[in-house]
Amino acid sequence: QLQLQESGPGLVEPSETLSLTCNVSGGSISSTNYYWGWVRQPPGKGLDWIGTIFPSGTMYCNPSLKSRVTISVDTSKKYFSLNLTAVTAADTAVYYCVLVATRFDYWGQGILVTVSS
Amino acid sequence: QSALTQPASVSGSPGQSITISCTGTSSNVGIYNLVSWYQQHPGKAPKLLIYEVTKWPSGVSNRFSGSKSGNTASLTISGLQAEDEADYHCCSYAGSNDWVFGGGTKLTVL
Repeated sequence: QLQLQESGPGLVEPSETLSLTCNVSGGSISSTNYYWGWVRQPPGKGLDWIGTIFPSGTMYCNPSLKSRVTISVDTSKKYFSLNLTAVTAADTAVYYCVLVATRFDYWGQGILVTVSS
Repeated sequence: QSALTQPASVSGSPGQSITISCTGTSSNVGIYNLVSWYQQHPGKAPKLLIYEVTKWPSGVSNRFSGSKSGNTASLTISGLQAEDEADYHCCSYAGSNDWVFGGGTKLTVL
């Protein structure tokens, strides 16, 4: 059974960089049948697609975040990462890592990241 | 890239059927049969309910069904049960490897 687990700091200061990692177990991170992504959910609000990355390293992201987002994958270590620069309070959210096929198939449990000084 | 439009809330009594709509545009819902639905209980991660408009993942009850007409997709829950009370989110592929979600709908079982 595939499992995804987010990790990273729960508190980030404004203007700093938010960095999260998603560890993948129970499946192959190198498979070409699916790819990987990040979704976030501000408190009390809906889901927001951040971006996705193929095992080859090709990345796609939400145009509203494009200039601030980097997603990378390390197939040898079975994890992928999210970097979001110049964060503000509006970036406070639960961040989920996901497996993506023609849908968001598997989700991590989520990690709450609060942007505050 | 605008979010898909869902009603903020719906409600129904046990045993009844309810339908949640998800309205997009001709650039996402209207052109791609890649609409999916997710159920989210409080404090939990979303769970895939329906994909590619009408398909069920393994283990999901067939009380949940999906459909699409034009730019609007719909999720129908039949035989409503207390444990169906949750938030429901729709999602559509929007081309060029972009995805867009709806704002979410809170289902209350009366």
